[in-house]
Amino acid sequence: DGGITQSPKYLFRKEGQNVTLSCEQNLNHDAMYWYRQDPGQGLRLIYYSQIVNDFQKGDIAEGYSVSREKKESFPLTVTSAQKNPTAFYLCASSIRDRNQPQHFGDGTRLSIL
Amino acid sequence: AQKVTQAQTEISVVEKEDVTLDCVYETRDTTYYLFWYKQPPSGELVFLIRRNSFDEQNEISGRYSWNFQKSTSSFNFTITASQVVDSAVYFCALSDARGGTYKYIFGTGTRLKVLA
Repeated sequence: DGGITQSPKYLFRKEGQNVTLSCEQNLNHDAMYWYRQDPGQGLRLIYYSQIVNDFQKGDIAEGYSVSREKKESFPLTVTSAQKNPTAFYLCASSIRDRNQPQHFGDGTRLSIL
Repeated sequence: AQKVTQAQTEISVVEKEDVTLDCVYETRDTTYYLFWYKQPPSGELVFLIRRNSFDEQNEISGRYSWNFQKSTSSFNFTITASQVVDSAVYFCALSDARGGTYKYIFGTGTRLKVLA
C-alpha cells in the first residue's frame, strides 16, 4: 500500500536540542514538502524539494534544515535556533507537476519540555 | 501575489443541514489549479478535488459539490445533508508554478462541526 510515513507521531524537545522528524514515501514522487500547522494559521511551507539533492526554502525556513539524499526520504531537523517549535508538522509529496494533488502523512506533533 | 482566503474560521451545523464552505483566490496566472482537502481529527490531509482554470463546470460527488466561478475568483464547496463524519477542517489550495518549481498556497482552513 503506497503512502507517506511520518515518525514519530509525538516528539518532545529540550531547550538547546536539535530534533529530526522523519518522512518516507513509497509513491515514487519527485516532489516533497514540509509544512508547519499552528492553530488558526493553516499550513505554512517550511522547505520543499523537487528532486534528489536539491531543495528550496519556503516561507518560514528559519530555524529548520532539511536534506534530500534519497528520492523516498525528506527528513526535517528542527534546530535550537527555532525558538517556537511547538506545532504540528506535516510532510507531503506529489508528482512534479502543478496539476497534481499532494499526498500527506499523518503528521508529527512537536512539543517543548 | 498568490493568495487563498477562507473567511469562515468555524461553522457549526446540525446533522442533515446543507453547508457551504467559501474559498476566494488571487492569482495572476491564466492557467492555475485549485484543490480542496479534508483534515479529520486524526491529522492527515485527504485530497477531495482538483479543478483547473479552464474548466468551470460544477462537479458533484455524492453529497459533495463544488462551484467554480472565475468571474468572482471563487471555488466554493457544498456538503448536502451533512453528517457527523463530515466534521473536520477543510482547506482550499492553489498551485503555484514559477521558476520551474511547484508549490501550493493554502487557505487558513474552515473548521466544520456537524452536531448530531
